[in-house]
Amino acid sequence: GNSVTQMEGPVTLSEEAFLTINCTYTATGYPSLFWYVQYPGEGLQLLLKATKADDKGSNKGFEATYRKETTSFHLEKGSVQVSDSAVYFCALSAHQAGTALIFGKGTTLSVSS
Amino acid sequence: KAGVTQTPRYLIKTRGQQVTLSCSPISGHRSVSWYQQTPGQGLQFLFEYFSETQRNKGNFPGRFSGRQFSNSRSEMNVSTLELGDSALYLCASSAGQASSGANVLTFGAGSRLTVL
Repeated sequence: GNSVTQMEGPVTLSEEAFLTINCTYTATGYPSLFWYVQYPGEGLQLLLKATKADDKGSNKGFEATYRKETTSFHLEKGSVQVSDSAVYFCALSAHQAGTALIFGKGTTLSVSS
Repeated sequence: KAGVTQTPRYLIKTRGQQVTLSCSPISGHRSVSWYQQTPGQGLQFLFEYFSETQRNKGNFPGRFSGRQFSNSRSEMNVSTLELGDSALYLCASSAGQASSGANVLTFGAGSRLTVL
């Protein structure tokens, strides 16, 4: 079946450090891939998405590239800020599955000044 | 533009009771999905409704049910509550015009259910 595996947290960084959160997936066909972010006490917000191989999603300095050959969608940011502290979820949606998302377990990021 | 609204935000129930959670989607959105979030299992898909019809269902027991009204508002119900049902229940809406995995979901803040 379809699944998403992302690196375990927590990830602790200093402000302005480089961030990578690894995400790999297993899916039949060609899923769409997403990164969502959850701030404390809030619901999930879409951070970025990619719908086909080699697409790069980007938003607020975050980037992720859909790599079909390695079945990966790693999240990166060149310089993190304290305000980026949150839980990050990688997710996939099989095109036949309506809007049903399969999520990874989430990675908690803590950025200190 | 108002976001996805979930009510109630917090509630406490005892084992064996039932609970109904409500979700009002973004105006114009016809698809509503529900997810359960727990520390152990993470985020799991419950079901999706589109134009009052259940379009997709996750792997949950029949105690979990839902419905959607003609104005796209949705409710989910959990009967015979168990301790393990304690979770954050998230609702999400999308335009969802077709069964496309590229549909972007907008989530509400969630309803936190505690079962004692």
